[in-house]
Amino acid sequence: GDSVTQMEGPVTLSEEAFLTINCTYTATGYPSLFWYVQYPGEGLQLLLKATKADDKGSNKGFEATYRKETTSFHLEKGSVQVSDSAVYFCALSDAGSARQLTFGSGTQLTVLP
Amino acid sequence: DSGVTQTPKHLITATGQRVTLRCSPRSGDLSVYWYQQSLDQGLQFLIQYYNGEERAKGNILERFSAQQFPDLHSELNLSSLELGDSALYFCASSVDTGVETQYFGPGTRLLVL
Repeated sequence: GDSVTQMEGPVTLSEEAFLTINCTYTATGYPSLFWYVQYPGEGLQLLLKATKADDKGSNKGFEATYRKETTSFHLEKGSVQVSDSAVYFCALSDAGSARQLTFGSGTQLTVLP
Repeated sequence: DSGVTQTPKHLITATGQRVTLRCSPRSGDLSVYWYQQSLDQGLQFLIQYYNGEERAKGNILERFSAQQFPDLHSELNLSSLELGDSALYFCASSVDTGVETQYFGPGTRLLVL
């Protein structure tokens, strides 16, 4: 079945550091790929998405590129802020009719001032 | 605010009991998804409804059931509760046309004592 493997955390960075969170996937067909963010005590918010190979999703300074050849969707940000501290989830949506999300295990990011 | 509402926010109950979690999707969204977030299992898809009909089932226990009503709100029923059912239960909704984004509610935190 479909699966998502995420870089294990927790990740601790200083403010203005470069962020990469690795995500690889296994799926049949051509899934859509997502990054969701969960701030403490809140639900999941969509951060960005990509629906086909070589698409780049971007939002709030975060970027991720759908790489079919390496089955990856790594999240990057050039300069993190304290307010980016949260748990980040990589997810895929299958190409079938149901489109339920399969999530990675989540990566806890803490940004220190 | 995603527009998805969930009640109650917190629920504390005892083993063997039954509870009902409620979800109201965003206005116009026909599809509702239920997910369970626990420390040991991570985020898992439970079940999806589309316009009142069950569309897909994931790792949902037989003790759990759901339904979607004509006004499109959904309820997740959990019965014969066990300690291991303690988790955060999220509802998400989507329009369900094309590649849809799922919008998550704030979740219901269930504690079984």
